[in-house]
Amino acid sequence: GNSVTQMEGPVTLSEEAFLTINCTYTATGYPSLFWYVQYPGEGLQLLLKATKADDKGSNKGFEATYRKETTSFHLEKGSVQVSDSAVYFCALSESDAGKSTFGDGTTLTVKP
Amino acid sequence: ETGVTQTPRHLVMGMTNKKSLKCEQHLGHNAMYWYKQSAKKPLELMFVYSLEERVENNSVPSRFSPECPNSSHLFLHLHTLQPEDSALYLCASSQDLYEGFYGYTFGSGTRLTVV
Repeated sequence: GNSVTQMEGPVTLSEEAFLTINCTYTATGYPSLFWYVQYPGEGLQLLLKATKADDKGSNKGFEATYRKETTSFHLEKGSVQVSDSAVYFCALSESDAGKSTFGDGTTLTVKP
Repeated sequence: ETGVTQTPRHLVMGMTNKKSLKCEQHLGHNAMYWYKQSAKKPLELMFVYSLEERVENNSVPSRFSPECPNSSHLFLHLHTLQPEDSALYLCASSQDLYEGFYGYTFGSGTRLTVV
């Protein structure tokens, strides 16, 4: 079956540090890949996506590249801010296979 | 209104109460989902509706009863809940079932506490 594995948190960084949150996946077909962010007290928001191999998704300074050869979709940001403190979820969807899977989430705390 | 709206935002109920959670979307989406998010646990998919028909029910106890009267509204009826049912209940919608291009739009959730 499908699965998504994220690096375990919590991750604590100082402001302006470089961020990487690792995500690897297992899928039977050709999924689309997503990163969602959940700020305290809120639901999940779509952060970025990639729908095929070698696509790069980007938004708000965050980036992730769909790597089929390593089945990975790592989230990166060059300089984090305190306002980036949130829980980040990696997810995949295979609409033609009727499957959508979320990772367990990684909590990021950025300190001033 | 845009996006997915969930009401109420917070709910405290006794184990013998009956209450309902409401979810509303005016995005023209065809699929809607209920998720349960408990502390230190992964997101749990509870129910999936596509074009108002239930297509997935992931072994959820019968004390949770979903209803989808039209493509814009989704309810979760609750009765005789247990303290371990306390969690954040998230509603989501997508253009099509298990949307693989645009992803899901989530509501802000209902924080449920069972006492």
